Amino acid sequence: EAAVTQSPRSKVAVTGGKVTLSCHQTNNHDYMYWYRQDTGHGLRLIHYSYVADSTEKGDIPDGYKASRPSQENFSLILELASLSQTAVYFCASRNWGTNTGQLYFGEGSKLTVL
Amino acid sequence: GDSVTQKEGLVTLTEGLPVMLNCTYQTIYSNAFLFWYVHYLNESPRLLLKSSTDNKRTEHQGFHATLHKSSSSFHLQKSSAQLSDSALYYCALRNSGGSNYKLTFGKGTLLTVTP
Repeated sequence: EAAVTQSPRSKVAVTGGKVTLSCHQTNNHDYMYWYRQDTGHGLRLIHYSYVADSTEKGDIPDGYKASRPSQENFSLILELASLSQTAVYFCASRNWGTNTGQLYFGEGSKLTVL
Repeated sequence: GDSVTQKEGLVTLTEGLPVMLNCTYQTIYSNAFLFWYVHYLNESPRLLLKSSTDNKRTEHQGFHATLHKSSSSFHLQKSSAQLSDSALYYCALRNSGGSNYKLTFGKGTLLTVTP
C-alpha cells in the first residue's frame, strides 16, 4: 500500500511568520503534489514536482514555494503566512508509469493563520 | 483549461435511499481519465472509482459510475445509501494532453446519510 506522511498534522501560525509543511513518501513515485482544500473550492493544485531538485507551479502558486530535495521528500513553504492561507493542505504522490494517474494522498495538514 | 463541475455542494439522504452525485467535465482532449475520490473525516482522500472507457460501467464498494463522453458526465450512484457512506466526494479529471501531469478536481459534494 502506498504511503504518504505529512508533518505537522496541525499548526497555528502568526500572520507574517514562516511555515514549512513537510511530506514524505515511501512509494518510489516520481510525481509529488501539494493541494489546498477549502470548503466550496475543493482541492486546488499549488505546486508539483516530477523529479528531485525541481518544482513546478500549479494553479494557485502565489504566496507559496516548494522544495523537492529528494525523491521521497517534498515541502511547501509559506514565507509570509497570511490569514487567507488558513486551510487544510494535502500532499500526494503518483507513479509516472501508471496510465491512469491515480493519486495517493497524505493525511493532511491543518494550518490556521492568526 | 480543464474543469470539473459538481452541482451539489451538499446532499442529505435518508439511509436506504439511492445515491446520485453529479459530475460533468470539460476538456479539449478526446481522451480523459475520470475519477471519484472519497474523503472520510480524519482520513486521507482515496480513490473510489476510475474510468477512461466510454459507456462502460465501473463499480467498487457498492458504488458505480459510467463515463459518457457524449454528455461529458461521470455521475456516481449507489442503490441504497448507508450511514457509513457519509463523506466528501470529489470528481476529478486527468486529460491525455499537455497538462496530463495533474488531476483537476471538482469542488466536492458532502454526502450526509441520516437514519
